[in-house]
Amino acid sequence: NAGVMQNPRHLVRRRGQEARLRCSPMKGHSHVYWYRQLPEEGLKFMVYLQKENIIDESGMPKERFSAEFPKEGPSILRIQQVVRGDSAAYFCASSTGGTQGYNEQFFGPGTRLTVL
Amino acid sequence: EDQVTQSPEALRLQEGESSSLNCSYTVSGLRGLFWYRQDPGKGPEFLFTLYSAGEEKEKERLKATLTKKESFLHITAPKPEDSATYLCAVQAPYSWGKLQFGAGTQVVVTP
Repeated sequence: NAGVMQNPRHLVRRRGQEARLRCSPMKGHSHVYWYRQLPEEGLKFMVYLQKENIIDESGMPKERFSAEFPKEGPSILRIQQVVRGDSAAYFCASSTGGTQGYNEQFFGPGTRLTVL
Repeated sequence: EDQVTQSPEALRLQEGESSSLNCSYTVSGLRGLFWYRQDPGKGPEFLFTLYSAGEEKEKERLKATLTKKESFLHITAPKPEDSATYLCAVQAPYSWGKLQFGAGTQVVVTP
């Protein structure tokens, strides 16, 4: 009965490198969400995906950030050319696609990104 | 812009000392209000969903209530293991899954 899985749990990158964060939703969940928690700030929505579709990317920075949820495999949040300001905890959440519990999102343990 | 405000920012309680946390919001036509608990270094843990004014839900020492403009999370006779940051989030009617979170209330329960 595994929950939402994220890896890696900790990621260190130097400025200018790429960061790839992975998220496997709970079994039976087909909706994935990414949130970012900056130090001393609250959780901020980034993007909402279903299999092979981006539903809402209103919280994604316009440059360097992208997300996908392919037909097979985990969801990926990709950050190109990382900068120090990208250092944060990135959380993935998932939910079912049905009307019951549709809105209830269950979170993974997060990936803590540190940019040197 | 929709606002979600939690108060107090921090709360220190003696074991057994009941209290309430507040979450006020400005979203009209709320799709849902959610309470989560977050321990240091971990992801938020789902507690409750409330959909309509007057609704109440309970789980162990926690009880969540909802009005048209705010929600309360009541902690009855807390124990040290209830120490955590409690997060409130709302989903607006026009949003497709997006949750808007408050800043949280950090609760510390001392023995």
